[in-house]
Amino acid sequence: EVQLVQSGAEVKKPGESLKISCKGSGYSFTNYWIGWVRQKPGKGLEWMGIIYPGDSDTRYSPSFQGQVTISADKSISTAYLQWSSLKASDTAMYYCAKWGGELGPVDYWGQGTLVTVSS
Amino acid sequence: QSVLTQPPSVSGAPGQRVTISCTGSSSNIGAGYIVHWYQQLPGTAPKLLIYANNNRPSGVPDRFSGSKSGTSASLAITGLQAEDEADYYCQSYDRSLSGPYVFGTGTKVTVL
Repeated sequence: EVQLVQSGAEVKKPGESLKISCKGSGYSFTNYWIGWVRQKPGKGLEWMGIIYPGDSDTRYSPSFQGQVTISADKSISTAYLQWSSLKASDTAMYYCAKWGGELGPVDYWGQGTLVTVSS
Repeated sequence: QSVLTQPPSVSGAPGQRVTISCTGSSSNIGAGYIVHWYQQLPGTAPKLLIYANNNRPSGVPDRFSGSKSGTSASLAITGLQAEDEADYYCQSYDRSLSGPYVFGTGTKVTVL
């Protein structure tokens, strides 16, 4: 059974750093793209970026380029999303998602990690 | 700002048919890229509903169907049921600077 299990909810202050994780199981982690999707409270889905764990090829949405860093450790089948300096506007639910192919679809989703940034 | 536009909301009575449009452009749907649809029930992660324009994953009822024409795609729900009340998103590939992956703006389906 394919599963994406994300790390737990986080509460941070503006300016702090953060790294959240997504552990894949039940499939060949290195052979499928893993992406991150943001959903602000009451809003729609926004594609942030994607990584191919096999060779670490990474692509970012122009809206998120330079704002976050996506990485993966294929030895432990885990993808990461990190911020060096959080802002209040980063408050959102973040989903990791397994792409079924280069054109999609997303065939499996993580349960989501709620990040709250507040002073 | 998404490059795939959906109506904010649609509604229908139980048993009725509703459709959700997803309007794109020549850099995404109009360029021939496939469209996928997701259902997001309240408080849950999205779930794949339709892939590659008109294919249903195993377990998705045949009440859900997808189509694509020109620069737009559509999701139809026939025989609307109370459990279909959710948010629905289209998604495609985009070769402009907005991409390469884009989601629609989302549509809330309300069962009256």
